[in-house]
Amino acid sequence: EAQVTQNPRYLITVTGKKLTVTCSQNMNHEYMSWYRQDPGLGLRQIYYSMNVEVTDKGDVPEGYKVSRKEKRNFPLILESPSPNQTSLYFCASSPRLGWQVETQYFGPGTRLLVL
Amino acid sequence: SQQGEEDPQALSIQEGENATMNCSYKTSINNLQWYRQNSGRGLVHLILIRSNEREKHSGRLRVTLDTSKKSSSLLITASRAADTASYFCATDARIQGAQKLVFGQGTRLTINP
Repeated sequence: EAQVTQNPRYLITVTGKKLTVTCSQNMNHEYMSWYRQDPGLGLRQIYYSMNVEVTDKGDVPEGYKVSRKEKRNFPLILESPSPNQTSLYFCASSPRLGWQVETQYFGPGTRLLVL
Repeated sequence: SQQGEEDPQALSIQEGENATMNCSYKTSINNLQWYRQNSGRGLVHLILIRSNEREKHSGRLRVTLDTSKKSSSLLITASRAADTASYFCATDARIQGAQKLVFGQGTRLTINP
């Protein structure tokens, strides 16, 4: 089944404790992206990757890191989480048509609470 | 200000009625996409319309795109209770040298039985 998986689905952590949220897709998509969703603010892009070893900042990259060593995986790293990173996080992937970003397939989301 | 903005922010209608949501954007786009999100879940793609297309249909969904007005609308006909969800438009555009898919804040649609 074609899908995007994220782990963990729920996470409670404390300020400063490094964490990684994994994202994997099995559709051989070139484009992958991380978003955070907060009430009243919609979805905001954190980082995206156009292909392996190619990543770029989205609109709210501060406090986050990513890597794209393999096509299928795009982990999101919070080196020193803070309470303002409490949010619902989504990973997504899509094929590309030239420079265009096509239909995005979303993971189920990771709900993060930073105390 | 937002690249994509939906209007209205919330819409409540009776089952069987049609629901129309609008999306406005600011820059030139390659395509515009509509997504649905049930509460707290991942977004599900509904329709993608390219910049050279004016209208697209999928089942009970009809999407229009007016690039001269930089706007799009999503029409859901004969609404059902299961259509209750948030609906987002997203624009694929090159902004400041970066390829971005920018989401609006969404329209919360409630279908009353």
